[in-house]
Parts: sequence; structure tokens; C-alpha cells
Amino acid sequence: AQSVSQHNHHVILSEAASLELGCNYSYGGTVNLFWYVQYPGQHLQLLLKYFSGDPLVKGIKGFEAEFIKSKFSFNLRKPSVQWSDTAEYFCAVKYSSASKIIFGSGTRLSIRP
Amino acid sequence: DGGITQSPKYLFRKEGQNVTLSCEQNLNHDAMYWYRQDPGQGLRLIYYSQIVNDFQKGDIAEGYSVSREKKESFPLTVTSAQKNPTAFYLCASNPPGDRNEKLFFGSGTQLSVL
Repeated sequence: AQSVSQHNHHVILSEAASLELGCNYSYGGTVNLFWYVQYPGQHLQLLLKYFSGDPLVKGIKGFEAEFIKSKFSFNLRKPSVQWSDTAEYFCAVKYSSASKIIFGSGTRLSIRP
Repeated sequence: DGGITQSPKYLFRKEGQNVTLSCEQNLNHDAMYWYRQDPGQGLRLIYYSQIVNDFQKGDIAEGYSVSREKKESFPLTVTSAQKNPTAFYLCASNPPGDRNEKLFFGSGTQLSVL
């Protein structure tokens, strides 16, 4: 079945620490990949997306993600987090064979000031 | 301003009652989605619609129904058959085209059972 897994449910970091959130998807052919972020009290918004080309994609607020096809992964990274990065982060995938977008279970990121 | 409007913000349901959540968009998007958000489970797809008068079941459609009579509207009914309806419900839409998969989300409806 088509699915997305986020293995980190809650990550706690200090400011200036580096961040990597894992995302894996099940095999299903060509995919489009996304990271969405939900800041406290705000709408979900797109952080970055991968469609094709350079597997390292850069998004807003200094985030980036790397698509590793052989590992079915699309991990989110940021070299130095800030307190304002406190939010819930969702990985999502759209398989070319389907018209729906599937989300992972989310990772809650807490940053200690 | 263009966007997605969900109403009401909070909704309470009595046992055995059907309730309908509203979702309206003025973005001229063809595709619309309903997701359910539960703590620790992320967003799970309930129903989606790619075009007017057509919709498909998502991963957890049981106990829910939808209609898509107008492009801008995609209401979700939570029926009495949904035994665990307490959750945060999110409506989303996205524009047509393969490279326009960015979802636009509404502000959500929190449904609780009395």
C-alpha cells in the first residue's frame, strides 16, 4: 500500500542545533514529495517540494530536503534551528499513479530557547 | 482575499446525530480534499474530489459522506455511523496541473462529541 512514514514523533532541540527529520515512503513508482509545516495556531503551509531534477531542494526559512531514491527517503534538514521553528512538520507524497496526496503522521519539533 | 473558508470553527455533535462541515474556496481550484488530523496520526485522507460532481474515497471514508455540486464547495457530513468523530478536520484544495501540487489549507474545524 502507498504510505509515508515519519519515525520521529517528537524531537526536542536547543537553539542553534542541527535538525534532521526522517521521512520514508513506500515504493510505488514516480513520486512528488513535500514537507509541510504547521506553526502553533496557524494553517498548514508548504515548506518545500521535490518534483524532479536536483535531489537537494531548498525551501523557506533555511530548510532543505534531500531525495534519495534508493532509500525511498526525503529527509528534512536545517543546519541551525531557531526557537521560531517550533512547529509540527509533515512529510507528504503524491504518487504519479494516484491523484491523492498522502501525509505522514507528523513530527512535533520543540526548540528550547 | 483568495482562500479556503471552513466553518464552523468548533462543532459539537450529539450521539446519533449527523453534522455537516462546510468548506468553500474562491481560488478556482478543481481539486479539493478532506483530511482528519488526530494527535500522533498526522493527516488522514477522508475524501477527495478532482472535479465537480465527482469524488473518491480516501483511506478512512467510512462514516463520512461528501458532495461536490459546485466547484467552490465541498461539504463533509459526519454521519452517526462514524463512531469516533472527535478530531480536527482540514479541508484543502490545489490548482490543476502536474507541477501545481501545493495544497492550500483551511483553518480547520474541531469536532467534538457531547
